[in-house]
Amino acid sequence: QVQLVQPGAEVKKPGASVKISCKASGYSFTHYFVHWVRQAPGQGLEWMGLINPSGGGTTLAQKFQGRVILTTDTSTNTVEMELSSLTNEDTAVYFCSRDRGSMAETGARYTMDVWGQGTTVTVSS
Amino acid sequence: DIQMTQSPSSLSVSVGDTVTITCQASQDISNYLSWYQQKSGRAPKLLIYDASTLETGVPSRFSGSGSGTDFTFTITSLQPEDVATYYCQQFNDLPSITFGQGTRLDIQ
Repeated sequence: QVQLVQPGAEVKKPGASVKISCKASGYSFTHYFVHWVRQAPGQGLEWMGLINPSGGGTTLAQKFQGRVILTTDTSTNTVEMELSSLTNEDTAVYFCSRDRGSMAETGARYTMDVWGQGTTVTVSS
Repeated sequence: DIQMTQSPSSLSVSVGDTVTITCQASQDISNYLSWYQQKSGRAPKLLIYDASTLETGVPSRFSGSGSGTDFTFTITSLQPEDVATYYCQQFNDLPSITFGQGTRLDIQ
């Protein structure tokens, strides 16, 4: 079945970087954008950016430009999100999610139909 | 960036009730609006896209309507398993995709 698998948790110190993986299976990996969304404790959802696994093109929310790098590895059907210069405010659950639209059919739809289980990132000294 | 104002922020209702949540965009977003359900400790789940299209496998008691700036999400005949937080999301103002603040739904 279609799924996105993420690691469970990461603990980092302020100023460090974190890299989170998202391994896709059950569908044509290069046909669908992958989004990253985060959720701070008790808060709402915040869109961070997306990557086109075919070619690696990215679009980032302005807030994260210069601090987030998205990469893709088509040999392992994996995308990764690296967030640098961590502060306590980056403590959150980070989700990867698949765009609903296939680039081979309708094109991207900027709606997310399949989600990973989330990675809890704790930033603490 | 387009701002999404979602209301109410929370509500407590009874099984069998009809629930209505609204989402207002700060500018015209056509029908580029989706609704998600997030249960405690879980990832969000897509319920509705393009303002009114039900995602495959989602029960028909969920529905959406609206276009332009004003949107409505409705649950008819509320079930106990519908306890969750619901979010709207716009995708007209790319590259900025934004979510509403969420509506927490409880059973009283």
